[in-house]
Amino acid sequence: DGGITQSPKYLFRKEGQNVTLSCEQNLNHDAMYWYRQDPGQGLRLIYYSQIVNDFQKGDIAEGYSVSREKKESFPLTVTSAQKNPTAFYLCASSIFDGDGNTEAFFGQGTRLTVV
Amino acid sequence: GQQVMQIPQYQHVQEGEDFTTYCNSSTTLSNIQWYKQRPGGHPVFLIQLVKSGEVKKQKRLTFQFGEAKKNSSLHITATQTTDVGTYFCAGYDYKLSFGAGTTVTVRA
Repeated sequence: DGGITQSPKYLFRKEGQNVTLSCEQNLNHDAMYWYRQDPGQGLRLIYYSQIVNDFQKGDIAEGYSVSREKKESFPLTVTSAQKNPTAFYLCASSIFDGDGNTEAFFGQGTRLTVV
Repeated sequence: GQQVMQIPQYQHVQEGEDFTTYCNSSTTLSNIQWYKQRPGGHPVFLIQLVKSGEVKKQKRLTFQFGEAKKNSSLHITATQTTDVGTYFCAGYDYKLSFGAGTTVTVRA
């Protein structure tokens, strides 16, 4: 069953702890993205990767880190330096074919609560 | 850097009425995409527009890409309760940047 999987769905952490959110896809997509969504707000880009072993900062990268060691995996670490980490985190992957199709597929999201 | 702006932020619609949501980019886009997120869910792809001036229809939804490839619109006719959710536009310029979304509520 092809798709993009985020785990866990809900995550609770104490303030000051780093936490890693998992994102795995078996769609053979080159590009992967991490977004943050706060209540009533849009999707803000944290990091993106267009190819293995390469990634770029998005609009709100401070306090976050990522790795892209495998094509199918793009984990996001929320560090203690992130001042307001409580949010809904969405991972996405997209194809990029010769016709310029870049449709993105999203995971179910991880709702992180830091107390 | 690339910024995508979307208006209005909220749209309260009487069932059966039409409405339009607009999207503007600070840069010229390779393509623009539209997504729908139902309450409690994740964004789901609706459509992609690539060509300047392109118009595409999906039943009651009409999507348009501007001539300069910097703006787009989504028009929904005869709104139904199933249209409830948040509609996002996303501009592609080597990365996918989303607008803030238009959250649609429907009065029956």
